[in-house]
Amino acid sequence: GAVVSQHPSRVICKSGTSVKIECRSLDFQATTMFWYRQFPKKSLMLMATSNEGSKATYEQGVEKDKFLINHASLTLSTLTVTSAHPEDSSFYICSATDSEGQPQHFGDGTRLSIL
Amino acid sequence: GENVEQHPSTLSVQEGDSAVIKCTYSDSASNYFPWYKQELGKGPQLIIDIRSNVGEKKDQRIAVTLNKTAKHFSLHITETQPEDSAVYFCAANAGGSYIPTFGRGTSLIVHP
Repeated sequence: GAVVSQHPSRVICKSGTSVKIECRSLDFQATTMFWYRQFPKKSLMLMATSNEGSKATYEQGVEKDKFLINHASLTLSTLTVTSAHPEDSSFYICSATDSEGQPQHFGDGTRLSIL
Repeated sequence: GENVEQHPSTLSVQEGDSAVIKCTYSDSASNYFPWYKQELGKGPQLIIDIRSNVGEKKDQRIAVTLNKTAKHFSLHITETQPEDSAVYFCAANAGGSYIPTFGRGTSLIVHP
């Protein structure tokens, strides 16, 4: 149980393109979803936390207009990287928790490469 | 806020040996400690967790111990196998928070 599906697994696109990443909880209701960014050989950096039906809470230093997060239902959250540039290239990972809050269940990540 | 330190950053063992990864935390209010395994190109997967009211938990070849007084917890893997090779992250949830603080990760390499 507790499966989180993330799509796409890999995206390669040109600079200036906007990219949407989907995160779905397949067998539980995701009360809270999290978006992380991970640089090579580094730990997970929390970008934002979102609760269903509410605006996302962004971590300090994360541009909310650059990384748009929508959590419209209890099973789906999306991250849109707007007008992506090469410095946005990274591994983006979502996770979700149910109403108990623990543990977090992670998706398999999206490798974003901006040319 | 919470601060989690994880050691070692790299651990190389022979197949069949045991591996131990240690973490310390700073917030005495932390009450939940998950461990995640991340394989190359994948997201982290929960392998075991422990709550502050328990001192030890075991699941087959994996065990976790918690010392609340010293504020440290450890992951123990016995009879290691090549498929155990991955990056392992410890984490601690401060009391009342749903957001864990992660350690920097340990790259475990099991040589056949």
